[in-house]
Amino acid sequence: DGGITQSPKYLFRKEGQNVTLSCEQNLNHDAMYWYRQDPGQGLRLIYYSQIVNDFQKGDIAEGYSVSREKKESFPLTVTSAQKNPTAFYLCASSLRYFSNQPQHFGDGTRLSIL
Amino acid sequence: DQQVKQNSPSLSVQEGRISILNCDYTNSMFDYFLWYKKYPAEGPTFLISISSIKDKNEDGRFTVFLNKSAKHLSLHIVPSQPGDSAVYFCAASAGAQKLVFGQGTRLTINP
Repeated sequence: DGGITQSPKYLFRKEGQNVTLSCEQNLNHDAMYWYRQDPGQGLRLIYYSQIVNDFQKGDIAEGYSVSREKKESFPLTVTSAQKNPTAFYLCASSLRYFSNQPQHFGDGTRLSIL
Repeated sequence: DQQVKQNSPSLSVQEGRISILNCDYTNSMFDYFLWYKKYPAEGPTFLISISSIKDKNEDGRFTVFLNKSAKHLSLHIVPSQPGDSAVYFCAASAGAQKLVFGQGTRLTINP
């Protein structure tokens, strides 16, 4: 079954700690995205990647970093510089970068502060 | 600057009736619109889309209407079923640009 797998489902971060959220897809999609969802708000774009070894900042990239070394994988690191990291993080992919095709989402990771 | 707005945070509809979810946008360059459905603790699931060259797109119980002059998008669900209870997000994009999401509307279908 093709899809997007995010892990872990729940994650806790201590002060000053970096944490990495995993996102893997087996849809053979070129483009991958990270979004953040806060209560009562829509999804906001953190980073996106059009192809392997390429990524671009979205609207709220400060305090986050990504890598795209493999087509299937797009991990997101929430660094200690992100002062308000508590949120629901969603990874998505699409066949091509922001083409008029729907993005497919994983089931998300909920990050909380200890 | 909220380019895509869903002004109703919640909507309650009786099972079997029509559910109408609304979305307004401000950017006249938007040419592709989508609706997603989201259950708690899960990712959004794509429902239906429409391009700006159309004013209606239908898929089973779901129909999306686009009124470009009013910059208004709506999703009709007929008949509404209990499994339709979820949060619905509309989203829009302009050309090959990023998707902009609304805040979501929580739909509750009552038996």
